Amino acid sequence: DTEVTQTPKHLVMGMTNKKSLKCEQHMGHRAMYWYKQKAKKPPELMFVYSYEKLSINESVPSRFSPECPNSSLLNLHLHALQPEDSALYLCASSQEWTGNQPQHFGDGTRLSIL
Amino acid sequence: AQSVTQLGSHVSVSEGALVLLRCNYSSSVPPYLFWYVQYPNQGLQLLLKYTSAATLVKGINGFEAEFKKSETSFHLTKPSAHMSDAAEYFCAVSRYEGGGSYIPTFGRGTSLIVHP
Repeated sequence: DTEVTQTPKHLVMGMTNKKSLKCEQHMGHRAMYWYKQKAKKPPELMFVYSYEKLSINESVPSRFSPECPNSSLLNLHLHALQPEDSALYLCASSQEWTGNQPQHFGDGTRLSIL
Repeated sequence: AQSVTQLGSHVSVSEGALVLLRCNYSSSVPPYLFWYVQYPNQGLQLLLKYTSAATLVKGINGFEAEFKKSETSFHLTKPSAHMSDAAEYFCAVSRYEGGGSYIPTFGRGTSLIVHP
């Protein structure tokens, strides 16, 4: 069972569209993460939220805009994406952002940019 | 900077054979190490973690890993492979950036192929 829920599972959008990815967890975790994963590659960290504050932005282009409305929800707003942004976007959470905590992953949103 | 190296992008074994997936880390201090598994069209699932307690760590699905400081290794093993073990396996480290910041960093992954 996946305890981190991501919606939608699939998303196709044009380069001028605006869309959002959603992630939800009810485990009481206080750290949440966004990753980008290309085929046959490891996940690449994009953002880290700790206690609902953005703690890490791994030099992600501004066309990706994260938001953490509360401790259970994490959104990723997308605007003016490029074809190279097509990938699997994974959300994860951990109890705390202390390095020794394992992450719980959702099944991802597969994004295709036309 | 802390990182992990996974040797072998593909490992092929017969069902019932020993599984050995290799991971070496680079770190000046004992790191936090993890193994995750990813099945097709799914997210990553934790197999086991090392956080400086016992050096032999047992995980789910019969997997275990041994932390060897002298070899800077954290190899993943399973005595007998099952067809359902076919998946992508990632070794990961929490890279310390200072100021309480830990950056999860993954190895390139090893694809485990299990033959009948």
